Order: sequence, then C-alpha cells, then structure tokens
Amino acid sequence: DTGVSQDPRHKITKRGQNVTFRCDPISEHNRLYWYRQTLGQGPEFLTYFQNEAQLEKSRLLSDRFSAERPKGSFSTLEIQRTEQGDSAMYLCASSLNQGGTTYEQYFGPGTRLTVT
Amino acid sequence: SQQGEEDPQALSIQEGENATMNCSYKTSINNLQWYRQNSGRGLVHLILIRSNEREKHSGRLRVTLDTSKKSSSLLITASRAADTASYFCATFTGFNTDKLIFGTGTRLQVFP
Repeated sequence: DTGVSQDPRHKITKRGQNVTFRCDPISEHNRLYWYRQTLGQGPEFLTYFQNEAQLEKSRLLSDRFSAERPKGSFSTLEIQRTEQGDSAMYLCASSLNQGGTTYEQYFGPGTRLTVT
Repeated sequence: SQQGEEDPQALSIQEGENATMNCSYKTSINNLQWYRQNSGRGLVHLILIRSNEREKHSGRLRVTLDTSKKSSSLLITASRAADTASYFCATFTGFNTDKLIFGTGTRLQVFP
C-alpha cells in the first residue's frame, strides 16, 4: 500500500533562500492538498488541486509561495526568499473526488522547514 | 484561521481509562472528521461523521455530533499507551471548497 510521500522530510535553510518541496500523492487520487502546521497548532489549509488545475488558494499563500501540479500527478511547493516565519511543517494530502463526492484525505509525513 | 477549538488542550490518563475530547466549530458543515497525529506516523484519519448523523462508532472510538451546538466529542475507551498522540477535529463544509479546517488539537498522554 503506497501512501502519500513527501521529499525532503527535513530542510534547513538560511533566510532569503528559495526552497522547493515535492509531494507524490496516492496514484489514483485526483485531488492534492497542501497544509502548513506550526508548533502546537492544527494544520492550516494552503491550496488544493484537481488534477493539474489549482482550484483554491488560501490568503496564507503569499506571493512568495507557489504550488504546481504540472501533469496532475506529483506537486511542488516553492517558497521564495524564505523568512523565519515560514518555519513550519508542510503537509501534503490527497483524496479521490468522484461524482462530486470527495472522500477522506490521506496525509503524507510532512516536510519540516527550519529557516535560520 | 482555525475553525475549531478543542478542549482540553492536554489530557493525561492511565491505561485502561477512557479519554474524552471535545471540539467546537463555527460554521455549518457537511461532515466532521477526527485525526490522530504522532511523530511516528503523521496525521492519520480516524473517523468521519456526517452532519445528519448524531453518533458513530469505530472499534474503541465513539464520536458524537451536535450540529445545534456546533460541537463534537471523541471518546476513546480502554485507552492504551499507544493512543498517546495529538487528536484534531477537522470540519468539511463542502460549500465550493474541499479544504479541511482543523481545530487546535488535544494532546493525550496515556501512562502505562
């Protein structure tokens, strides 16, 4: 059973650098989501895709953040000019949407970003 | 912003005891879900209860939903040390959006 995978699992970067994370969803899932989680809080929604189309973006997703899902399979989340406030766990999830019904979201292990 | 508030923020119990956590939310929902998170396995889906359901069971888990009070509770019976984790409720409105909105979580510690 292949679940959602994320790479890297940990990333330490200096302020001002760009970082890119990758998410590989469960293969038959057509929806893919990104969330961010800071210490002691629940995950907060960032954006989601139906196949390659980005359907919704949170106001949390500033201009420095960009997400893509170019072929409707894996997705990347890039953060440009990182700031210390970007330090968080970035979670990816996927689900199957069929006939207008979305089934449960399956989460990956997350990428922990530390900006120094 | 977080949709839900969970209560208590932290809970410590002995193995064999029951653990109850509560979640309150703000807007109308299609369903409410509970997730568990520990460092070893990330976020794991536990149970989903739809807005037209009042109670649901899964193994040692019992979830209730009161849409008039916009609240839900998760009961874990006969707890085990392996239940030690953070538990989050997440609401799904389904109104032109597919996102989950998570609560702030309850940290459960079960002592052997």
